[in-house]
Amino acid sequence: AQSVTQLDSQVPVFEEAPVELRCNYSSSVSVYLFWYVQYPNQGLQLLLKYLSGSTLVKGINGFEAEFNKSQTSFHLRKPSVHISDTAEYFCAVIAGGKLIFGQGTELSVKP
Amino acid sequence: EAGVTQFPSHSVIEKGQTVTLRCDPISGHDNLYWYRRVMGKEIKFLLHFVKESKQDESGMPNNRFLAERTGGTYSTLKVQPAELEDSGVYFCASSFRTASYGYTFGSGTRLTVV
Repeated sequence: AQSVTQLDSQVPVFEEAPVELRCNYSSSVSVYLFWYVQYPNQGLQLLLKYLSGSTLVKGINGFEAEFNKSQTSFHLRKPSVHISDTAEYFCAVIAGGKLIFGQGTELSVKP
Repeated sequence: EAGVTQFPSHSVIEKGQTVTLRCDPISGHDNLYWYRRVMGKEIKFLLHFVKESKQDESGMPNNRFLAERTGGTYSTLKVQPAELEDSGVYFCASSFRTASYGYTFGSGTRLTVV
């Protein structure tokens, strides 16, 4: 069965620093991968997705992720974070026609 | 276009009571999904409608949960009777095509059973 593991439950970082949120997946077939973000008191918003093609995917708000098949990873990165990026981030994979989520990573950006 | 709407946004009920959550998907989206996040756990799939038909209900925890989507428009998720472990955030999502295109999620309903 396909699954997703987010390696860090919490990531504190200072404003304007770079950040990487790690995600590993397990799958023996083609994968479709997603990152969602949940800002406080809001719903889940799609940040970016990988379906095929270029392994470097750019999303909204300056985020990008790289699909690495050999390492079965799909880490999310941003070169310089803002206070407003404070949120919970979820990595997800499609399996059986539905999204399977990781446990979530809380990104806390401090001034 | 209007997004996915869920209500209520919050609900506090006593153990043994009944609660009904509602989800209005984006107009024209045949696919509707329910998910739940229990405190501290990952977001878990509950079920998937295609129009008014249940395509996959493998994630429904037990028969105290009943989901309907009459007419293929809005959906309701009823919990009867509610138990303490049902507390969590219930998300609804819809998509026009298959899941690979990504869903649009609602803001969720936070259910607290006391």
